[in-house]
Amino acid sequence: EDQVTQSPEALRLQEGESSSLNCSYTVSGLRGLFWYRQDPGKGPEFLFTLYSAGEEKEKERLKATLTKKESFLHITAPKPEDSATYLCAVWSGGSNYKLTFGKGTLLTVNP
Amino acid sequence: DAGVIQSPRHEVTEMGQEVTLRCKPISGHDYLFWYRQTMMRGLELLIYFNNNVPIDDSGMPEDRFSAKMPNASFSTLKIQPSEPRDSAVYFCASGWTASGNTIYFGEGSWLTVV
Repeated sequence: EDQVTQSPEALRLQEGESSSLNCSYTVSGLRGLFWYRQDPGKGPEFLFTLYSAGEEKEKERLKATLTKKESFLHITAPKPEDSATYLCAVWSGGSNYKLTFGKGTLLTVNP
Repeated sequence: DAGVIQSPRHEVTEMGQEVTLRCKPISGHDYLFWYRQTMMRGLELLIYFNNNVPIDDSGMPEDRFSAKMPNASFSTLKIQPSEPRDSAVYFCASGWTASGNTIYFGEGSWLTVV
């Protein structure tokens, strides 16, 4: 069974203080790793898909990286509007399109 | 693009009542997913459809839950009878084969069973 563990559960940063969120996974064969952002009262919003170890994707202040066992979401010089819950999910592929989600990291960026 | 549309956004119902949640996926998407989110368990896949056909319903908690997709633009998730432990946020999501399994979520239906 696929497993996804995100750490830390919660992270509080000062505006401009860079940091990283971790997503470690156990799957039988990774086909894709996904990062989503979720604001309170909203549905998850797609950020990135990574397909193979060594791949990196960037969007504004966010950069996602992938190894064979984990993914990191690096946040550079965060702003208060980056405050949200960040969710990681894995797809182990085959004919099954099921995504397994972690429980998320709640990020708070103080001005 | 209107995105995935869900209704109702909020529902409060009494234990034992029937609840029907509705979803309109993004036009052109051939996959539709129903997820449930709680604080304790996070996001859990309940069921998903491909081209309107249910593919995997192993996440449906029990026979009280049922889902249908009568056409490419509409799906329902029904709970009958509802119980307080069904209180959660229910998300519908859609995607398409060529997207590499990237899926897009609706805003969710917040269900409270009292």
